[in-house]
Amino acid sequence: GENVEQHPSTLSVQEGDSAVIKCTYSDSASNYFPWYKQELGKGPQLIIDIRSNVGEKKDQRIAVTLNKTAKHFSLHITETQPEDSAVYFCAAEGSQGNLIFGKGTKLSVKP
Amino acid sequence: KAGVTQTPRYLIKTRGQQVTLSCSPISGHRSVSWYQQTPGQGLQFLFEYFSETQRNKGNFPGRFSGRQFSNSRSEMNVSTLELGDSALYLCASSLVSGLAKNIQYFGAGTRLSVL
Repeated sequence: GENVEQHPSTLSVQEGDSAVIKCTYSDSASNYFPWYKQELGKGPQLIIDIRSNVGEKKDQRIAVTLNKTAKHFSLHITETQPEDSAVYFCAAEGSQGNLIFGKGTKLSVKP
Repeated sequence: KAGVTQTPRYLIKTRGQQVTLSCSPISGHRSVSWYQQTPGQGLQFLFEYFSETQRNKGNFPGRFSGRQFSNSRSEMNVSTLELGDSALYLCASSLVSGLAKNIQYFGAGTRLSVL
């Protein structure tokens, strides 16, 4: 079945360091890959997305890379800040037009 | 512009009861998708409604159902509640159906506890 694997499940970094979260997906037909940030008591918030016609996208301190051949995509956060602490989810487009989510990465940024 | 609104935020029910959750999408959005979030299974797709019609359905039993009204507001219903139905239920809205040119925006969710 359709599946998205996400690693690591927890990540702890010092403020100012970079954080990298990696995902792999199973359905080669997927063309849309969003990343969501979920803070405690809130719903997931879209932070960046990428479509299969590009290999990289950047928005200030956040970047996403996509390797369609290997079915990998990654989130890169540079110059991390305490307010980046949250659970991050990757997702891929499913065959039914829905999102298939990874299990999430709990990022902790220590001041 | 108001975001996705889900009501109620919290619900406590007992086994065997039924429950109805509500979702008001972003103004102008016509597609509403529902997801169940649990610590063990993560975020799983329940179903999507567009123009009052169910477009897609995930792998959940028939106890989970939904509907959409002409103003795009959506409700989901769970009948004969089980302990395992305890979860955060999230609603996501988008302009139209499908992800080819769309972005899904999530509400804060309804936390359902089944005792």
